[in-house]
Amino acid sequence: GQNIDQPTEMTATEGAIVQINCTYQTSGFNGLFWYQQHAGEAPTFLSYNVLDGLEEKGRFSSFLSRSKGYSYLLLKELQMKDSASYLCAAMDSNYQLIWGAGTKLIIKP
Amino acid sequence: GAVVSQHPSWVICKSGTSVKIECRSLDFQATTMFWYRQFPKQSLMLMATSNEGSKATYEQGVEKDKFLINHASLTLSTLTVTSAHPEDSSFYICSARIDRDYEQYFGPGTRLTVT
Repeated sequence: GQNIDQPTEMTATEGAIVQINCTYQTSGFNGLFWYQQHAGEAPTFLSYNVLDGLEEKGRFSSFLSRSKGYSYLLLKELQMKDSASYLCAAMDSNYQLIWGAGTKLIIKP
Repeated sequence: GAVVSQHPSWVICKSGTSVKIECRSLDFQATTMFWYRQFPKQSLMLMATSNEGSKATYEQGVEKDKFLINHASLTLSTLTVTSAHPEDSSFYICSARIDRDYEQYFGPGTRLTVT
């Protein structure tokens, strides 16, 4: 079956770095997405990886290892506004997104 | 670019009535639109995938007669919740995709409360 695993909740301190991990199993693979979702709002796109390696975009970076079925989202210089849920989603061979349950990130001052 | 709107943003209706939610791609043509439902503190659940001019493909467990989806044009899809019940209260989100482009563009969501 198809499956996405990510931690349910993480806590970090303002100004610090946090890494949110995601493992996936899909029928075929057309890329790995990370979305940010604030409470009561729709998800917003953060990153897309289809090749192995690290993609850096400002304070956020995303890493993919296709052979391991593994990705992580790295958030640096954490700000209070980064408190949100972070959703990992893998695109399967039919170009459908398989969603993880999301990781709720709590930032403390 | 790639803006998706939803209307209404929130709606309260009485049990037994029907509610229609519109999803529009404002500045692009969406060959595929997706409808999701999200209950509090849970992840997105895909309800159905719709392609313009064809019948929607519903996910297992989603009643097609209860959740009517119409994708009449490349910029508009509608979801009608028929005979709504309190358990249908949820956050409904649509997204749109251009051809096989990798990204889905999300609408702002519609919060439905059935009393």
